[in-house]
Amino acid sequence: GQQVMQIPQYQHVQEGEDFTTYCNSSTTLSNIQWYKQRPGGHPVFLIQLVKSGEVKKQKRLTFQFGEAKKNSSLHITATQTTDVGTYFCAGDILKTSYDKVIFGPGTSLSVIP
Amino acid sequence: DGGITQSPKYLFRKEGQNVTLSCEQNLNHDAMYWYRQDPGQGLRLIYYSQIVNDFQKGDIAEGYSVSREKKESFPLTVTSAQKNPTAFYLCASSDGQGAYTEAFFGQGTRLTVV
Repeated sequence: GQQVMQIPQYQHVQEGEDFTTYCNSSTTLSNIQWYKQRPGGHPVFLIQLVKSGEVKKQKRLTFQFGEAKKNSSLHITATQTTDVGTYFCAGDILKTSYDKVIFGPGTSLSVIP
Repeated sequence: DGGITQSPKYLFRKEGQNVTLSCEQNLNHDAMYWYRQDPGQGLRLIYYSQIVNDFQKGDIAEGYSVSREKKESFPLTVTSAQKNPTAFYLCASSDGQGAYTEAFFGQGTRLTVV
């Protein structure tokens, strides 16, 4: 079936180090979204990428969408303790007249002060 | 304010009882989703609905049922057939139109079955 995978599952970094999570889909995506879930909270939308090869930045966060629209990455420069949480990618898979969003399993980021 | 509301936040039930989780949105979104999240795990899709009076099974629909009688509401019933119902349940909605499908999540319902 259609799957969206993420690696790594967990990442522990020292504050100030960089962090990257990778998202891969078995199916071509119409777009991809990234969400952040703080411990005890609910997922919150960060960004959406639509175009092949698209790169977007939000302060210390850089998001990329692969040329084949099957993979994506999120890179955080100089992590801070406020970056702690689980980062999910979610792919929008078009299927006839319907579409549905499929979430990856997430990457849990811990930042050591 | 527009948003998506889940209630209750915490729910305790005895084993063998059915329980219904509420999800209401006033964002005028066509698509609504139910996810289950277990500790340290990602989101698994239970059911989704693209339009009123229509819904589709997700990856883990067994032991759950839904209805979509109104655009604003998408309640989830956890039946006694669900073998391990204790989990965090998240409802989400999205516009579902074209390429813009940002999902908005409710605060979640933490269900504990004893």
